[in-house]
Amino acid sequence: DAKTTQPPSMDCAEGRAANLPCNHSTISGNEYVYWYRQIHSQGPQYIIHGLKNNETNEMASLIITEDRKSSTLILPHATLRDTAVYYCIAYWNTDKLIFGTGTRLQVFP
Amino acid sequence: KAGVTQTPRYLIKTRGQQVTLSCSPISGHRSVSWYQQTPGQGLQFLFEYFSETQRNKGNFPGRFSGRQFSNSRSEMNVSTLELGDSALYLCASSSPRPSGGSTYNEQFFGPGTRLTVL
Repeated sequence: DAKTTQPPSMDCAEGRAANLPCNHSTISGNEYVYWYRQIHSQGPQYIIHGLKNNETNEMASLIITEDRKSSTLILPHATLRDTAVYYCIAYWNTDKLIFGTGTRLQVFP
Repeated sequence: KAGVTQTPRYLIKTRGQQVTLSCSPISGHRSVSWYQQTPGQGLQFLFEYFSETQRNKGNFPGRFSGRQFSNSRSEMNVSTLELGDSALYLCASSSPRPSGGSTYNEQFFGPGTRLTVL
């Protein structure tokens, strides 16, 4: 299982881009990188995933380095509602999510 | 489309008792996964069921078991409860969707059942 390392906490001003890094240096070729977030007292919510290429959807962008050993989740215009714990996962089996400790993102006014 | 529902939302039990938690997946989803969340251990995968068969299993003792019915609804059971079983139990359902030539299963989580063991 590829282990991921994330900073325990980050702050971001409302309206600014939030860039959340994730290190997954032991990732193997068939392992996806995917991100979920958990807003307080709710179940985790899927954000985005990728294998090799950068990805963008209505919620965020995912930038994966060429060697796939790290990635960055970008929330382009953070709002207060984006305050949550963000989990980066690198694993081949998308039916079995292996969560790490995540990054607690605090968006402030 | 209705989301994943879990019942009950809150439960209080005493040590040694057993408990059954229920999860109704999103209509059409055939895979149901269970997770335990505690302050000390974080979010941990328990098991996953697909078409009434356990397909994946985490590292939990045999006191934790589950099953899935033909309508994809799932239950998990914990026997001989211990204080350390106090946790938020989350259920997620998923359905495969195409992604870059393969399939990806986005998991949709329910609100969880908060179990307190006294």
